[in-house]
Amino acid sequence: DTAVSQTPKYLVTQMGNDKSIKCEQNLGHDTMYWYKQDSKKFLKIMFSYNNKELIINETVPNRFSPKSPDKAHLNLHINSLELGDSAVYFCASSQGYQPQHFGDGTRLSIL
Amino acid sequence: GENVEQHPSTLSVQEGDSAVIKCTYSDSASNYFPWYKQELGKRPQLIIDIRSNVGEKKDQRIAVTLNKTAKHFSLHITETQPEDSAVYFCAASMAGGGADGLTFGKGTHLIIQP
Repeated sequence: DTAVSQTPKYLVTQMGNDKSIKCEQNLGHDTMYWYKQDSKKFLKIMFSYNNKELIINETVPNRFSPKSPDKAHLNLHINSLELGDSAVYFCASSQGYQPQHFGDGTRLSIL
Repeated sequence: GENVEQHPSTLSVQEGDSAVIKCTYSDSASNYFPWYKQELGKRPQLIIDIRSNVGEKKDQRIAVTLNKTAKHFSLHITETQPEDSAVYFCAASMAGGGADGLTFGKGTHLIIQP
C-alpha cells in the first residue's frame, strides 16, 4: 500500500480554472505538507499542517488554499489557475522528529 | 528564513569512483539535514539524514558529514554504480523537519559514466 497517495497523478486544465489535488497518508503522521517542484526541479515548501495549525510560506499566492478534513488528509485547492502554476506538486507527511515521506506527485499543466 | 546552497549542479563521475556533493545553510538554528534522491519522474526518497548532535553518519556506500561551525554538510557516495544516477537534494530544517517543512538546495544531477 502506498504510504502517501495523491490524486490525480496528472492534471491538464485551462488558465483561469479552479482545481483541487487530494492527498492521503496512512502512516498515522500528525504533520502534512505541500511542496512545489518547478520546471528547474527546485523544491519549495508551500504549506504545512499540524494539529489544525496551518503554516503558510509567505511567497505562496492566496489563490492556493489547503484544506484538511482530518489528520490523514490534506487537499490543495487552487483558484484562477495561471501559466506559472504549472509544476509538480508533492504532498509529504511526517511524525514528530521522523523524516518526511513524499507522495508520487501531481503533474499540473496549464494550457 | 533558511537558505540552502548546493554544489555542484551537475556531477559526472566514472563508475566505481566516489562522488561528493556539498551544501551550506544559513540559519544556525537548523538541526536536521536530510538528503533525498529523485529519479526521473519519481518522488524524492530519503537516502540518509543527520542531526546536529552528530558529525558523521554512514550507511553502506553513503555517508554524510556535518560541520556545524562552518554550516556545511556533505554527501559522499563511494564505489558509484549506474543506479546512483539521479538528482540529489540536500535540505535543512529545525526540529527534525517539523512544522516549518524542509528548505531544499537546488539539486545536483549525478551522472555515472560506465
